[in-house]
Amino acid sequence: AQSVTQPDARVTVSEGASLQLRCKYSYSGTPYLFWYVQYPRQGLQLLLKYYSGDPVVQGVNGFEAEFSKSNSSFHLRKASVHWSDSAVYFCVLKYNNAGAKLTFGGGTRLTVRP
Amino acid sequence: GALVYQYPRRTICKSGTSMRMECQAVGFQATSVAWYRQSPQKTFELIALSTVNSAIKYEQNFTQEKFPISHPNLSFSSMTVLNAYLEDRGLYLCGAGLGGRPDTQYFGPGTRLLVL
Repeated sequence: AQSVTQPDARVTVSEGASLQLRCKYSYSGTPYLFWYVQYPRQGLQLLLKYYSGDPVVQGVNGFEAEFSKSNSSFHLRKASVHWSDSAVYFCVLKYNNAGAKLTFGGGTRLTVRP
Repeated sequence: GALVYQYPRRTICKSGTSMRMECQAVGFQATSVAWYRQSPQKTFELIALSTVNSAIKYEQNFTQEKFPISHPNLSFSSMTVLNAYLEDRGLYLCGAGLGGRPDTQYFGPGTRLLVL
């Protein structure tokens, strides 16, 4: 069975610092991977997605993520965070393209100190 | 861009009563619609998935008898929470898939259900 683990439930960084949010997945096939963000009292917004090709994918608002098949990881990065990036970030796995079942990680709550 | 609306944004119901929520894809025809629930302090669980030309498929722990879904066309879906109790409270998200590769889910803002 497929699963997604986000080992850090909470991360706190200062504004302007770099950021990495970790994501590990478990799936034997080729995964479709996504990062979504949930701002306070809102739904989910797509940050970026990966299926194939260049393992580094660019997303919105300066976010990027790197896929590593050998490490089964899909870590999210940002060079310089802003206070408005404070939110909960979800790493999500889709194990095939047909249908739409998504497997969510537990989420990482990011707090950016001004 | 792809927009998904959900209504209502927030609702309160008495324990044992039912409430209906709606999901509308705007500007595109969804190839799939999925309903998820985020219970307090938890991640998202898939309730059911509806794809083009397929019956609605419910995940384990969720049933049609408790969460009946109507998906009359490619742009609209509704779900009812029947006999709501405390454990049903949470944020209910509707995700609509655009198709393509990868098939990406776009989510509405959610319906937050409080049960008294």
